[in-house]
Amino acid sequence: DAGITQSPRYKITETGRQVTLMCHQTWSHSYMFWYRQDLGHGLRLIYYSAAADITDKGEVPDGYVVSRSKTENFPLTLESATRSQTSVYFCASTSGALNTEAFFGQGTRLTVV
Amino acid sequence: AQSVTQLGSHVSVSEGALVLLRCNYSSSVPPYLFWYVQYPNQGLQLLLKYTSAATLVKGINGFEAEFKKSETSFHLTKPSAHMSDAAEYFCAVETSYDKVIFGPGTSLSVIP
Repeated sequence: DAGITQSPRYKITETGRQVTLMCHQTWSHSYMFWYRQDLGHGLRLIYYSAAADITDKGEVPDGYVVSRSKTENFPLTLESATRSQTSVYFCASTSGALNTEAFFGQGTRLTVV
Repeated sequence: AQSVTQLGSHVSVSEGALVLLRCNYSSSVPPYLFWYVQYPNQGLQLLLKYTSAATLVKGINGFEAEFKKSETSFHLTKPSAHMSDAAEYFCAVETSYDKVIFGPGTSLSVIP
């Protein structure tokens, strides 16, 4: 099915553990994004990628690592999870043209205990 | 720096009443403006977007928004609220290929 999918949908991990959130899109969109959603803050950009092997920091990149070896995949890794990283994470993609719609995954709810 | 503010983190309306969700932006260049809706446990989906062709933009589900440059606003309205409109609404501004700034969101409740 065409679209953008995130996995897992829910994840509980312990402080200090490494965890990777997956994102896969089938449109061959150039741009992909990772956001975190927290109450009162809306969506904040963590990292984005303009193409395979091109990534850049967003507003809140500390504690996160991304890679993009293939156009369709954009995994987000928390190297050593902290409780402050408990959040809902959204992956999104766009074709890259201005004023075009961003397509969002359904989100991953991550709890760090 | 670009920013988006949404007045009112929570808005309640009665079913059938007017819905008005406020969005103001600051941008040093003419922006591209969007409204997204998020239903519970789902990702965001596009409601409407502003193009320079018209200041009044119609979107899905009966929503529309008016761009007012003098007021730097892009408020979202719907003449008659429906129960299914209960959701979180986000205003967003795009000023370059990699800069989409989202507002903090407004949670809309519809009272039967």
